[in-house]
Amino acid sequence: EVQLVESGGGLVQPGRSLRLSCAASGFIFDDYAMHWVRQAPGKGLEWVSGIGWNSGDIGYADSVKGRFTISRDNARNSLYLQMNSLRVEDTALYYCAKDMMVAPINPGDSWGQGTLVTVSS
Amino acid sequence: QSALTQPASVSGSPGQSITISCTGTSSDIGGYNYVSWYQQHPGKAPKLMIYDVSNRPSGVSNRFSGSKSGNTASLTISGLQTEDEADYYCSSYTSSSTLFGGGTKLTVL
Repeated sequence: EVQLVESGGGLVQPGRSLRLSCAASGFIFDDYAMHWVRQAPGKGLEWVSGIGWNSGDIGYADSVKGRFTISRDNARNSLYLQMNSLRVEDTALYYCAKDMMVAPINPGDSWGQGTLVTVSS
Repeated sequence: QSALTQPASVSGSPGQSITISCTGTSSDIGGYNYVSWYQQHPGKAPKLMIYDVSNRPSGVSNRFSGSKSGNTASLTISGLQTEDEADYYCSSYTSSSTLFGGGTKLTVL
């Protein structure tokens, strides 16, 4: 059974940093691209970033470009999101999602339950 | 990166069919056959319902179907059931990034 478990969320002040992690199991992690998708309270889904199977293809939403960095460790079956210079508008539930391809195309058939990031002074 | 355009809400009665549209541009929906649809119930993670425009993942009911014409993709749900009441989102690949639609709330009357 595919499992994606996010961690690392919490309350942080504007301008500070946070690192999210996603532990994957139940599938061959390095066969698939991965994504981070967020959802602000009461709002819709927003794609944040995607990374290919070997970290060769990486993309970011304009809203986070230059502040967030996605990475993966295939040996540890883990996905990460380093979030710097956090803003109030980054407050959201952050989901880790598995793609169905080796390149980051669309979040696919498996999603975690999310980790909540709250940016507030 | 502008969001794809979806109607805010649609409704239908049990047994009926409804269609949700998702409009983009030639740079996203119109340029690639990489459109997905997700169902999200309150407090739950999204669930993939359609990928690559019209393909259903294993376990998804054949009452759900997807299509695309030009820059607009569509999700059709036939034989509406009360459990179909949820939010639905489309997404499309677009040159090194992914776009989501704003979401459509489906009410089953």
